[in-house]
Amino acid sequence: AQKVTQAQTEISVVEKEDVTLDCVYETRDTTYYLFWYKQPPSGELVFLIRRNSFDEQNEISGRYSWNFQKSTSSFNFTITASQVVDSAVYFCALSEGLVNYGGSQGNLIFGKGTKLSVKP
Amino acid sequence: DAGVTQSPTHLIKTRGQQVTLRCSPKSGHDTVSWYQQALGQGPQFIFQYYEEEERQRGNFPDRFSGHQFPNYSSELNVNALLLGDSALYLCASSFWTGGGTGELFFGEGSRLTVL
Repeated sequence: AQKVTQAQTEISVVEKEDVTLDCVYETRDTTYYLFWYKQPPSGELVFLIRRNSFDEQNEISGRYSWNFQKSTSSFNFTITASQVVDSAVYFCALSEGLVNYGGSQGNLIFGKGTKLSVKP
Repeated sequence: DAGVTQSPTHLIKTRGQQVTLRCSPKSGHDTVSWYQQALGQGPQFIFQYYEEEERQRGNFPDRFSGHQFPNYSSELNVNALLLGDSALYLCASSFWTGGGTGELFFGEGSRLTVL
């Protein structure tokens, strides 16, 4: 069975601190996708990143970086120099996928989310 | 470019009633997925529609049904509402690729309260 665990329910940091959100996943599939989404109070899930199971390269996008390690089934998300606008609930998600076709099945398994509060 | 739009944004129903939620996908998208998000939880997959057919379904009872129209918009219907159906219902649209859907874009959701 597929499962995503985000052990950190809530994290509170002061602005400019670095923060890492943990994500551990379980799947029997050899091909799959991993995602991070941000959910501000408005409710809309904002896509941050998608990685496929064949690509273990870490990725950096501005203040955001992701560390994918298949050996530990983890896909952690780090925000460097956090800002108040980063305050939101962050979800890690997993989907089995046909990586060769470039698509995922659309059936995402979400973790329970980590609520990040960044205080000024 | 309009994103995913959902209506209504909020609604209140009583137990046993029926509800219909609506979703218009992002321009150029042909696939719609529905998710239920209970308070404090992650979204759970309900079902996905492509070419007006249900393609995948999550672990939800038959009280949950849907429809996709020729213009790709979609409806989610829930019959015989239970208190436990109170949740944020999220619609996500995507473009169907040969092996499944592409990246999902979510709407802001419809918040349903069942009294």
